[in-house]
Amino acid sequence: DAKTTQPNSMESNEEEPVHLPCNHSTISGTDYIHWYRQLPSQGPEYVIHGLTSNVNNRMASLAIAEDRKSSTLILHRATLRDAAVYYCILRDFNNTGKLIFGQGTTLQVKP
Amino acid sequence: NAGVTQTPKFQVLKTGQSMTLQCAQDMNHEYMSWYRQDPGMGLRLIHYSVGAGITDQGEVPNGYNVSRSTTEDFPLRLLSAAPSQTSVYFCASSYSLQRSNTGELFFGEGSRLTVL
Repeated sequence: DAKTTQPNSMESNEEEPVHLPCNHSTISGTDYIHWYRQLPSQGPEYVIHGLTSNVNNRMASLAIAEDRKSSTLILHRATLRDAAVYYCILRDFNNTGKLIFGQGTTLQVKP
Repeated sequence: NAGVTQTPKFQVLKTGQSMTLQCAQDMNHEYMSWYRQDPGMGLRLIHYSVGAGITDQGEVPNGYNVSRSTTEDFPLRLLSAAPSQTSVYFCASSYSLQRSNTGELFFGEGSRLTVL
C-alpha cells in the first residue's frame, strides 16, 4: 500500500488561507488522493478527492503536483470550525480500495 | 436515509466477555469497513469487506471477527475482550470504486468501548 507523509501539526489564523501538504512519493497510477478531516469527538468526514487534475468543491481545493508525488489541500479562508485533524489517504481504484489512515495533520486555527 | 448506523454507542465490558458491535448502512454500498481509534491516535483498519460474503483483514485484525451475510450489515465481534481493545470503533462504507470514482467513505458516529 502506498503511504502518505504529512506534518504532525500546523497553525493558521482565522480568515487566512491554509495549505496542508501531503507527500506520496510511491503513488501508483490507479491511486486516488483522498482527504478527510476529523473534528473533535466526531467521526471522519470526506473533504475532497482527485486523481490528476486540481479539484475544487465547496469545502476546499486540492492541488496535485504534475508528477502526483505530492498534493496540497487548500482551505481558502480558515474558520475556527476548521480546527481538526486532516488525513491524506491514497485509495487504489484497481484494488480492494481499502483506506489506510496515517496520523494526519492537526490544524489549529487562532482567532 | 439514515446513512451508517452503529450500535451501541457506549459499552463497558469485563475482560473475557464477548460482544458484537453492529453496523448497518442503507445506501447500498458494496464496501464496508471497521476502524479503531485509540486516544490521541489516528484510525487503524481492523477488517473490511468489498461485498456480501467477502471479508478481509486490515492492519489490526487480531481479536476481532467479521462477517458480511448481507449488503447492509457488517457486524464486528470481539470474542474475548481485553483491556487493549478499549477504544472508539468506527464503521464506514462506500460505493465500490468500480461503481463510483468518488469512493467517498461515510462514517458512523462511533462506538465507545471500555474493557475493564
